[in-house]
Amino acid sequence: GNSVTQMEGPVTLSEEAFLTINCTYTATGYPSLFWYVQYPGEGLQLLLKATKADDKGSNKGFEATYRKETTSFHLEKGSVQVSDSAVYFCALSDRTGRRALTFGSGTRLQVQP
Amino acid sequence: KAGVTQTPRYLIKTRGQQVTLSCSPISGHRSVSWYQQTPGQGLQFLFEYFSETQRNKGNFPGRFSGRQFSNSRSEMNVSTLELGDSALYLCASSPRTDATNEKLFFGSGTQLSVL
Repeated sequence: GNSVTQMEGPVTLSEEAFLTINCTYTATGYPSLFWYVQYPGEGLQLLLKATKADDKGSNKGFEATYRKETTSFHLEKGSVQVSDSAVYFCALSDRTGRRALTFGSGTRLQVQP
Repeated sequence: KAGVTQTPRYLIKTRGQQVTLSCSPISGHRSVSWYQQTPGQGLQFLFEYFSETQRNKGNFPGRFSGRQFSNSRSEMNVSTLELGDSALYLCASSPRTDATNEKLFFGSGTQLSVL
């Protein structure tokens, strides 16, 4: 079956530090890959996505590249802000027609001023 | 445009009771999916409804059920509540095109506590 593995959190960084959150996946075929973010007390919001190998998703300074050879979709940001503090979820959607996202366990990011 | 609305925001029940959660999707969205979020199991897919029909179902017992109305609003029901059903239940809507990479719009969730 499908699965997504994320690095354990929490991740604590100082403002303007470089961020990497690792994500690897197992899936049948070629899934679509997503990063969702959950701010305190809110639901999930789509941060970025990639639908095929070597695609780069980007939004709000965050980037992730779909690496088929390493089955990875690591999230990066060059300079984090306090407002980036949230829980980040990596997810995949396979192409079997079953419309269900498989999520990783989430990584909590805390950015200190 | 209003977002996905879930009611109630918080709910406290006791074991053995049943509960109904409500979700109003974004106007024009015809697909509603439900997810359970717990600290131990993370986010898990419950089911998806489209055009008043359940289209996909996750690996949950039959105590978990749902339905969708003609206006696309959806309800989720859990019968014979167990302590392990305590969770944040998230609803997500989408227009449901044929693409599998479609963006989901999530509500803020209903926090269910079973005592």
